[in-house]
Amino acid sequence: DSGVTQTPKHLITATGQRVTLRCSPRSGDLSVYWYQQSLDQGLQFLIQYYNGEERAKGNILERFSAQQFPDLHSELNLSSLELGDSALYFCASSVHHEQGVRTDTQYFGPGTRLTVL
Amino acid sequence: GNSVTQMEGPVTLSEEAFLTINCTYTATGYPSLFWYVQYPGEGLQLLLKATKADDKGSNKGFEATYRKETTSFHLEKGSVQVSDSAVYFCALSDGSARQLTFGSGTQLTVLP
Repeated sequence: DSGVTQTPKHLITATGQRVTLRCSPRSGDLSVYWYQQSLDQGLQFLIQYYNGEERAKGNILERFSAQQFPDLHSELNLSSLELGDSALYFCASSVHHEQGVRTDTQYFGPGTRLTVL
Repeated sequence: GNSVTQMEGPVTLSEEAFLTINCTYTATGYPSLFWYVQYPGEGLQLLLKATKADDKGSNKGFEATYRKETTSFHLEKGSVQVSDSAVYFCALSDGSARQLTFGSGTQLTVLP
């Protein structure tokens, strides 16, 4: 158990709909990352938040957005869903700095499997 | 930009065989290197990491050495078990951008 939790575990919805995926980072971790895993694209970085602020963006579609709340949990919002958005969405967290030494170790949640019909 | 190239799978081995999964990388800075493992139906688990050249990461009998001269981080295990069957991902984190860049993953199946 990594300490990162994600809900829901599975989500089935229809094209054109909007969904929200939720992530709670490990206790004490300030950074949250979202990744998409699909058969054709592999594992791709979507977006990073650090202590409530957006820090880096990857291959995230304009239909997708995210935020990190004051309690450090994060939500990924996916709208106008298409069949191709079906994938496993992972959240990861890192402390950003451990004992004064920079670390990049990210700990992953179990993922949310999104199926768009 | 950054990229990671992994050995194509799938790889099928008999129990107690020696395992090598090749991984090479391209990065603009001085990246940290990682191996993650994904068991069926589960998320990614950190297997081992190395943060600077010549560092050796090790865990559960797996090892990988950060080779800057060959830009490689090959995963090895001397004697695999059936329970090692999983997908293995090599990844890097560039110092300036914290996100992970992953390889395509290598499916390993170990037969009894």
